[in-house]
Formats: sequence, C-alpha cells, structure tokens
Amino acid sequence: GDSVTQMEGPVTLSEEAFLTINCTYTATGYPSLFWYVQYPGEGLQLLLKATKADDKGSNKGFEATYRKETTSFHLEKGSVQVSDSAVYFCALSESGGTSYGKLTFGQGTILTVHP
Amino acid sequence: NAGVTQTPKFQVLKTGQSMTLQCAQDMNHEYMSWYRQDPGMGLRLIHYSVGAGITDQGEVPNGYNVSRSTTEDFPLRLLSAAPSQTSVYFCASSYRFDGSNQPQHFGDGTRLSIL
Repeated sequence: GDSVTQMEGPVTLSEEAFLTINCTYTATGYPSLFWYVQYPGEGLQLLLKATKADDKGSNKGFEATYRKETTSFHLEKGSVQVSDSAVYFCALSESGGTSYGKLTFGQGTILTVHP
Repeated sequence: NAGVTQTPKFQVLKTGQSMTLQCAQDMNHEYMSWYRQDPGMGLRLIHYSVGAGITDQGEVPNGYNVSRSTTEDFPLRLLSAAPSQTSVYFCASSYRFDGSNQPQHFGDGTRLSIL
C-alpha cells in the first residue's frame, strides 16, 4: 500500500536558518503530493501541493519539488521565522479508482524556531 | 464562512461509554472524512464519505461508526469507548471526492481521553 516517510524530528533552528524536511513516498500509481502545517491547537492547513512529476509547489517562502525518480518531496525554506514553528506533515493522495482522494500522511515533523 | 466545525473540542469518557463527535461543513463539499492523530503516527483515516448516504471504511475503522444523512454533517460514533481510542480526531472535507487536486479542509480537532 501507499506510505509516506518523513525525517525524524523534532527540528530546532535559529531564526533565519535554512530549513529542509525530508519526505519520501511509496505509491502504486501517480499520486498528488502535499505538505500540510499544523499550528498549536489548530487543525491542518494546506501549505503547498504538486500534482505531477517535476512540479514545484510554493507558498509563504516554502517550496517542494515532486521528484518521481527519487520518490521524494522535500520541504525547504531559505530563512525560517519564529512564526514557522509548527508540525509539518507530508501526505499523498492517489487519484481515481477507489482511492477517492484519501490522504496518506507521514508521521509529522515538529519544527521549533528560536529567536 | 465557518469552514469545517467540530464539536466538542475536548471530551473525557470512561471505558465502555458511547459518544458522538460532530462535524459540519458549510462549503457544500461532497467528500468528508475522519482521521485520528496519534504521536509519531501522523493521521490515519477512520471512515470517509463521498456523498450523502455513502460511507466507507478507512485504515482504522474498528470501534467507530459513521453515517451521512446530509451533505453538511458527518458524525463519528464511538460505540463502546476503549483507552486505545484516546486520540485527537480531525474531520476534513473537500469539494470533489477525487481529491487529487482539491485540498482538504480540516476542522480544529476534538481531543478525546478515555479513562
């Protein structure tokens, strides 16, 4: 079945540091890939997405590129802020058939950014 | 625009009790789903619905019941609560059941403790 693996956390950075959170996936078809963010006490919000190979999703300074050859979708940001402290989830969704757009999530990575 | 509304936000139950977690969305979304979030395991799909009157099981359906009598509401029932069901529960919805290009909208969650 489908699966998503994220890098072990938690991740602690100083403000303005470079961020990478690794994500690799296993899927039978051609999934869409997502990064969701969860701020303390809130639900998940879509951060960015990519629907086909070599697509780059970007939002709020974050970006991730859909790499079919390495089955990866790593999240990057050039300069993190304290307000980026949250839990980040990588997820995939198969299209069509009986998948009905169900999301398969990674285990989540806790990011803490210090001033 | 309320989005996805979950009630209650917090609940403590005793083993063997039953209860219903409520979820309502006002976006006329066809697809709704329930996930549980456990530490180190990401979110796992419990049940989902592709429209009124249609439901199906996800990855971890045992001990839970759902129904979808209207487009707006998708309640999750715990029939006989067990400590293993202590978790944070999230309801999500999206415009089309084939969610590969449609982001899912999440509620703020219900934190449930079973003693």
